[in-house]
Amino acid sequence: KNQVEQSPQSLIILEGKNCTLQCNYTVSPFSNLRWYKQDTGRGPVSLTIMTFSENTKSNGRYTATLDADTKQSSLHITASQLSDSASYICVVSPRSNYGQNFVFGPGTRLSVLP
Amino acid sequence: DAGVIQSPRHEVTEMGQEVTLRCKPISGHNSLFWYRQTMMRGLELLIYFNNNVPIDDSGMPEDRFSAKMPNASFSTLKIQPSEPRDSAVYFCASSLPSGSYEQYFGPGTRLTVT
Repeated sequence: KNQVEQSPQSLIILEGKNCTLQCNYTVSPFSNLRWYKQDTGRGPVSLTIMTFSENTKSNGRYTATLDADTKQSSLHITASQLSDSASYICVVSPRSNYGQNFVFGPGTRLSVLP
Repeated sequence: DAGVIQSPRHEVTEMGQEVTLRCKPISGHNSLFWYRQTMMRGLELLIYFNNNVPIDDSGMPEDRFSAKMPNASFSTLKIQPSEPRDSAVYFCASSLPSGSYEQYFGPGTRLTVT
C-alpha cells in the first residue's frame, strides 16, 4: 500500500534556529515528490518539486533532499522566521499513465517562537 | 493574475441540503483538482480534470458527491444530500497538464453541515 509518513508530528523552535522535517514513503515507483507549506486558514503553497533523479532542491531558506534508494526526503529550514510557522506537507506521486495521482503525508506542524 | 478563485469562502447548511462549491482556475491551466481537508484525514484528492475531462474520480467518497467542469474556466463540486461528516475545507487547485508542474491552490471553502 502506498503510504507517506512524516515526522515529527509537531515541532517548536526559536526564531533564527534551523530545523529539519522528515518524510518517509513506500510509494514505488514514483514520479515526483513535493513539499507544501500551508499557513493556517489558507491553501497549501508549493515549496519544491523533485523527480526521482534529483537529490536536492532549494527555494530560498528551504532545502529539500531526496534519497530514492531509502525512500526518504527531508526539508531543511535555515534561519527560521516567525512566518515559517505553518504545516508542512510531503506529497508523493506514484508513476502512472496520468502522472497526477497523489499520496499525502499527514504533515508536520511547525511553530517558530520569538 | 488573481490566482485560483473559490466561492463561497464559508458555507453553513443543514443536513440534507444541496451544497455547490465553485472554482475558477488560473487562466491557461489545463488541469483542475478538488481536495478535501479535515483534521482526522488530512488532505485528500477527490477528483481531477485534464482539459475539462474527469480523469480520476476514485477519491470521491460516494454518490452524493459530483463534480463538473463545463468549460476551461469553471468547475463545481456538488454534494447532495449533505451530511455532517461532509464538514471540511474543500480546496480547488489548478496546474499545467503534467505531473511535474506546480499546483496552485485556492483559498478553500469551509463547509459546515449541521
